[in-house]
Amino acid sequence: AQSVTQPDIHITVSEGASLELRCNYSYGATPYLFWYVQSPGQGLQLLLKYFSGDTLVQGIKGFEAEFKRSQSSFNLRKPSVHWSDAAEYFCAVGARVGANNLFFGTGTRLTVIP
Amino acid sequence: DGGITQSPKYLFRKEGQNVTLSCEQNLNHDAMYWYRQDPGQGLRLIYYSQIVNDFQKGDIAEGYSVSREKKESFPLTVTSAQKNPTAFYLCASRKGTGLAQGNQPQHFGDGTRLSIL
Repeated sequence: AQSVTQPDIHITVSEGASLELRCNYSYGATPYLFWYVQSPGQGLQLLLKYFSGDTLVQGIKGFEAEFKRSQSSFNLRKPSVHWSDAAEYFCAVGARVGANNLFFGTGTRLTVIP
Repeated sequence: DGGITQSPKYLFRKEGQNVTLSCEQNLNHDAMYWYRQDPGQGLRLIYYSQIVNDFQKGDIAEGYSVSREKKESFPLTVTSAQKNPTAFYLCASRKGTGLAQGNQPQHFGDGTRLSIL
């Protein structure tokens, strides 16, 4: 069965610093991978997605993520964090066959300090 | 602009009462989903539907019911059997059906926060 682990519940970074949010998945083959962002009281917005090909994918708002098959990871990165990036971030995995829904991690809350 | 509309934004339920959360999409998406979000638990799937008049239970379907009479609409009823309904409920939709769905991202509404009176 698919599963997603986001080991960091809460991360605090200074504005302008770099950011890396970790995501590990469990799946028998290469899954579809997604990162979403959620502001308080809002729905989820798609940041980026990986299906195949280049393992470094670019998303919106200056985010990127790298798929590493050997580590079953799909970590999200941003070189310079802005105060508006403070939010909760969710990694999700979708199966390539069979199941038709996404499995989400428990989320990482990002706090940005001046 | 196309999107997903959830209403109401806030909802209060009395003991023994059923309440219905609305979800409407004008994206012409085939699949629709309901998730429950609790602090520290991420999103958990309640029900999903890939086609009109068909739906499947997710991981936490007990105490909930849905219908899919129209492609655009996927209402969720929280019944009195759901003993802990206080949560944030998110509706989502996705283009495509069957194996083609996996590479399509889900689009989300802005959620409904349900509380107990």
